[in-house]
Amino acid sequence: DGGITQSPKYLFRKEGQNVTLSCEQNLNHDAMYWYRQDPGQGLRLIYYSQIVNDFQKGDIAEGYSVSREKKESFPLTVTSAQKNPTAFYLCASSRIKDNVNTEAFFGQGTRLTVV
Amino acid sequence: AQSVTQPDIHITVSEGASLELRCNYSYGATPYLFWYVQSPGQGLQLLLKYFSGDTLVQGIKGFEAEFKRSQSSFNLRKPSVHWSDAAEYFCAYRGSTLGRLYFGRGTQLTVWP
Repeated sequence: DGGITQSPKYLFRKEGQNVTLSCEQNLNHDAMYWYRQDPGQGLRLIYYSQIVNDFQKGDIAEGYSVSREKKESFPLTVTSAQKNPTAFYLCASSRIKDNVNTEAFFGQGTRLTVV
Repeated sequence: AQSVTQPDIHITVSEGASLELRCNYSYGATPYLFWYVQSPGQGLQLLLKYFSGDTLVQGIKGFEAEFKRSQSSFNLRKPSVHWSDAAEYFCAYRGSTLGRLYFGRGTQLTVWP
């Protein structure tokens, strides 16, 4: 089955620790995205990548880092510099066809809680 | 700045009633518009999209949306709501062919039996 796999589904982190959220897609999509979702705030873009080895900051990149070494993988690291990391994190991907970025498909999310 | 507005934070309708969820975008001569639905604790599922052509687009689960350029709107409609439609709905917008997506803050739909 083609799709986007996020792991783990639930993640607990102690204050001061870095954690890495996994996102893998087997849709052969070019672009990948990380969003953060908090109640009542919709989805806010953290980072996105349209090609391997290249990525851009979104609206709330501070305290986060990403890499795009392979087309199918776009891991997100939440660093200790992120002041309020407790949130629901969503990964998405989309295909770029004929120079048009098509609709985004989403994973099932990772809920990160700082304890 | 580019933005998407969903004016209704929460809507309650009775099962079988019609539904309209509002969405306005702020920028772009040729917008790419989307509606997504999210159940609690889940990812987002695409309901429908508008890229060009017919301004009335049909989606999954009996939903449709109409693009009105003069009003910068892309409202989602369903003639008869089912209890299983209760969820959060997000409008999204892309202002150019390769641009990033902008999301509204979402509308929570409650369906009374």
